[in-house]
This record gives sequence, structure tokens and C-alpha cells, in this order.
Amino acid sequence: QKEVEQDPGPLSVPEGAIVSLNCTYSNSAFQYFMWYRQYSRKGPELLMYTYSSGNKEDGRFTAQVDKSSKYISLFIRDSQPSDSATYLCAMSAIKAAGNKLTFGGGTRVLVKP
Amino acid sequence: KAGVTQTPRYLIKTRGQQVTLSCSPISGHRSVSWYQQTPGQGLQFLFEYFSETQRNKGNFPGRFSGRQFSNSRSEMNVSTLELGDSALYLCASSLGTSGSADTQYFGPGTRLTVL
Repeated sequence: QKEVEQDPGPLSVPEGAIVSLNCTYSNSAFQYFMWYRQYSRKGPELLMYTYSSGNKEDGRFTAQVDKSSKYISLFIRDSQPSDSATYLCAMSAIKAAGNKLTFGGGTRVLVKP
Repeated sequence: KAGVTQTPRYLIKTRGQQVTLSCSPISGHRSVSWYQQTPGQGLQFLFEYFSETQRNKGNFPGRFSGRQFSNSRSEMNVSTLELGDSALYLCASSLGTSGSADTQYFGPGTRLTVL
């Protein structure tokens, strides 16, 4: 079983809908949680960064972390066709261990005009 | 500010050969991490370099190695290439500070095809 599980999709939604993405994880040492967006043939681009539990909002994006359930979510409001991409969750443990991100497999999202 | 650059962008090699990939981090960043991305395994951590020292290592065989230079540029080398090494190799740079948020920024990747 992988440390981080993510539904591969594809997730197809109409333009303007809310996109809901999530990941579950098994390693309780994870404290830093990130969401990346990756367009085809490009490198991942950081969207949201959250430390420990709680919510964080940035424009149309909201990230939620529930450490008690080992579950994180990303919501995209008012989705646009330009949001069509693969969304990757990533996590890391305490910073003393250096930089090592553990990724979910990614969810393909398609926003239809 | 220029982003992370990786060269070359595409490579085709045959089994048994070796390959060297290069990564130039964002100016001021001292940490460089390498990841392998494949359709089957997703993004997997290879190793991280900070101040010319390997600080962290993933679960890859010794055929995968890397180094970092004094200007923080990094190279990774794969020897005795296998078909399964075909992948997108991504480099990410960050400040490298510990005990605080340390965002990793990714380059566009090098697409390696092994025939």
C-alpha cells in the first residue's frame, strides 16, 4: 500500500462547478501538505501549502487538512477550462529530515466549457 | 527571477548506456531535489543535495547518483540504463532552510527514453 493515495480520475466537471480533490495518507509524521498542478509536458506548479491541520484559502482555491483522519482536500471554485490539468498532493515530514516530498499519484481534472 | 532550468529537455538512449542530466536552481536556492515521474509509479523522490552534500536519499538503486556544485547547480547520472528508466526526471529547488516552510519549485523536466 502506498503512503499517499489519490484517486487517478479523470474527474470531469462543467465550467463554473466546484472541483473537489482529496488524498489520504498513512504516515502520521507528515506535517507539511501541498497541492501541485501539472499541465501536460510541464513540471508541477505549487498551488497551496499548508502546515499541520486546518484550512487555507487563496483566491478560488481552498485547502483543508484533517490530520486526525489523515485526509487532505483541495477545492477549486468557479472552475475554468484552464484548470484542466493533473493535480498532485504532496507531503513531507519534519524539516530536520530535509526536503523529501511524497506524492500521490495525481488526479486528472477536465473542465468542460 | 528565472525559474528552475533543466537540460536537455529530451534524451533518447539505448540500454546499457549512461546519461547525465543537469539542473540549474533558482538564484539563491541551495537545495536541489530530483524526482522520477512515470505513469505507473507517479512521482518518486530520488535524492536531495544541499551545500554540495547529499542530505536525503530515496529508494533507488546505486545506478542513480548525483552531485551538486558550489554554485548549487546539480547533475544526476544514471548508469547502465534499463528500459524501466524511461521517465520524466524532475528537478526541484528550494532555499533549503530547516524548521520553516521551504517551498520546492520544479523545473520542466527531462524526458528520457531508453530503447
